[in-house]
Amino acid sequence: SAVISQKPSRDICQRGTSLTIQCQVDSQVTMMFWYRQQPGQSLTLIATANQGSEATYESGFVIDKFPISRPNLTFSTLTVSNLSPEDSSIYLCSVEEGTEGYTFGSGTRLTVV
Amino acid sequence: AQSVTQLGSHVSVSEGALVLLRCNYSSSVPPYLFWYVQYPNQGLQLLLKYTSAATLVKGINGFEAEFKKSETSFHLTKPSAHMSDAAEYFCAVSEGTGGFKTIFGAGTRLFVKA
Repeated sequence: SAVISQKPSRDICQRGTSLTIQCQVDSQVTMMFWYRQQPGQSLTLIATANQGSEATYESGFVIDKFPISRPNLTFSTLTVSNLSPEDSSIYLCSVEEGTEGYTFGSGTRLTVV
Repeated sequence: AQSVTQLGSHVSVSEGALVLLRCNYSSSVPPYLFWYVQYPNQGLQLLLKYTSAATLVKGINGFEAEFKKSETSFHLTKPSAHMSDAAEYFCAVSEGTGGFKTIFGAGTRLFVKA
């Protein structure tokens, strides 16, 4: 299965700033997914990132707040902009491997102070 | 619309005892079902999956799950708990592959007592 390198693993950011999270996959994948896991909760899909097109955002998530780049088939970034304490979460990238389910990065734990 | 419900946000068992984590789903089409495990400060790891083949699915670390269509359930079991099984477990349902959205349950935290 694919191996995903996600960084940073954690960060503490000031409110009003931005954090960019990177995910590198060791194989070419069509779609990459970004999830948010708020403290003590399950995963919520933020957006689907396709190479060569705009990301598709889920209800409640907007591009201005969560801009995504997908420059090639092995890499994607998620930026969380204009940070507030409510953005403190774990952010995970993932790829789907057909019937094998999803493979996830190790996550980025963001704390906004 | 698909959904998944995990019964019990916390489950506590003794080491060596049976582990049973419950998951019920709803789906308008034959579902794909998954169990993932999340250890502290880590991402999610696939434990096992059901994709319309055998209804009893065996996964890693001695876990298995049985798809019961009549009960719309996909409960996760392990005959004998080990301390290393302490983690968060997520059940997930999807209507297919190739970009179909996957819905995750709220998660069940498993505690294993010595």
